[in-house]
Amino acid sequence: NAGVTQTPKFQVLKTGQSMTLQCAQDMNHNSMYWYRQDPGMGLRLIYYSASEGTTDKGEVPNGYNVSRLNKREFSLRLESAAPSQTSVYFCASSKVTATYGYTFGSGTRLTVV
Amino acid sequence: GESVGLHLPTLSVQEGDNSIINCAYSNSASDYFIWYKQESGKGPQFIIDIRSNMDKRQGQRVTVLLNKTVKHLSLQIAATQPGDSAVYFCAEIPLSNDYKLSFGAGTTVTVRA
Repeated sequence: NAGVTQTPKFQVLKTGQSMTLQCAQDMNHNSMYWYRQDPGMGLRLIYYSASEGTTDKGEVPNGYNVSRLNKREFSLRLESAAPSQTSVYFCASSKVTATYGYTFGSGTRLTVV
Repeated sequence: GESVGLHLPTLSVQEGDNSIINCAYSNSASDYFIWYKQESGKGPQFIIDIRSNMDKRQGQRVTVLLNKTVKHLSLQIAATQPGDSAVYFCAEIPLSNDYKLSFGAGTTVTVRA
């Protein structure tokens, strides 16, 4: 099983450019999540989707949009990238709630210059 | 407010010794706690979890202790090996929303040969 797959693995953007980070899981999980990881700050929740067709804001949603395309796929879009969005982005999924445990992808390292 | 934090950002351990990683949390209403391990360039991986109605749980070479009186969580790793070198995060699930995991800042464990 591939688990959670994220693309791309690395990306450099210029300020103001847009891009979409892709995430797909093959575990038939209901819930999916996007986190960002910055040095010394742990992981912070951007958005999550408890089930297909629903999305909710996390701690740091400003500057991002998400789409739960189907049960497998959950994308994160930066409409106008800013240097403050330079970070490592992780997608995760869980069977239902977080008490079932998260499975994380390997991350996308994004640099905005 | 809700927060999960670790006492020390770094820990250096001699191979074969036991490691103890500490975490303090502030949300006394949290019901569930998880320890994650993150190796360089990878996403976090589940190690062990514990519910608030327990004070100890053991896994393979790992033990988690929960002291609700002082809101303290610890992860003990027995006979530390070079493969245990990683960043360790504690995370909590608040009763207010069991889809969310709140992460602490992490402790970097380095195993000396």
